[in-house]
Amino acid sequence: GAVVSQHPSRVICKSGTSVKIECRSLDFQATTMFWYRQFPKKSLMLMATSNEGSKATYEQGVEKDKFLINHASLTLSTLTVTSAHPEDSSFYICSASFPSSYNEQFFGPGTRLTVL
Amino acid sequence: AQSVTQPDIHITVSEGASLELRCNYSYGATPYLFWYVQSPGQGLQLLLKYFSGDTLVQGIKGFEAEFKRSQSSFNLRKPSVHWSDAAEYFCAVGASGNTDKLIFGTGTRLQVFP
Repeated sequence: GAVVSQHPSRVICKSGTSVKIECRSLDFQATTMFWYRQFPKKSLMLMATSNEGSKATYEQGVEKDKFLINHASLTLSTLTVTSAHPEDSSFYICSASFPSSYNEQFFGPGTRLTVL
Repeated sequence: AQSVTQPDIHITVSEGASLELRCNYSYGATPYLFWYVQSPGQGLQLLLKYFSGDTLVQGIKGFEAEFKRSQSSFNLRKPSVHWSDAAEYFCAVGASGNTDKLIFGTGTRLQVFP
């Protein structure tokens, strides 16, 4: 149980275009979803926390207009990287939790974004 | 503020040897503690977790960890490492409040030699 999927697993786009990444909880209702960014050989950097039906809470230093997060349902959250540039190339990972999970987060497999 | 320290950036062990990965945390109350493992290009998989009760917790793949409040530690152990255990290991502590945030350590890369 508690499976989280991400789509796509890899995406290559041209500079200036927008890219949408989907995160789905497949067998549970995710009241909270998290988006992380991971640089090579580095730890996870939390970008934002989103609750279903509410605006996302962004971490300090994360541009909310660049990284648009929507959590429209209890099973789906999306991250849109707008006007992507090469420096946005990274590994993006989502995770999800529910109220009785005691902070445990269930992670998706990640999305490798490459901006040319 | 909560924080997690993993002092060892990189550890190399021989297959069959025992393993201990260190994790120290800073938190004012009883923490929720986690160990996750990440294979290259993959998401994170939960190895084990501590919420309360028995301070020695068993996880998947033969891993265990011991919560020591006096030392603010939650070290991960395995008696005999397999080549497939080579990966990145992250310790995390549950943050206070209702955000369900996790604070991650910087990770320890485990390399296993045959």
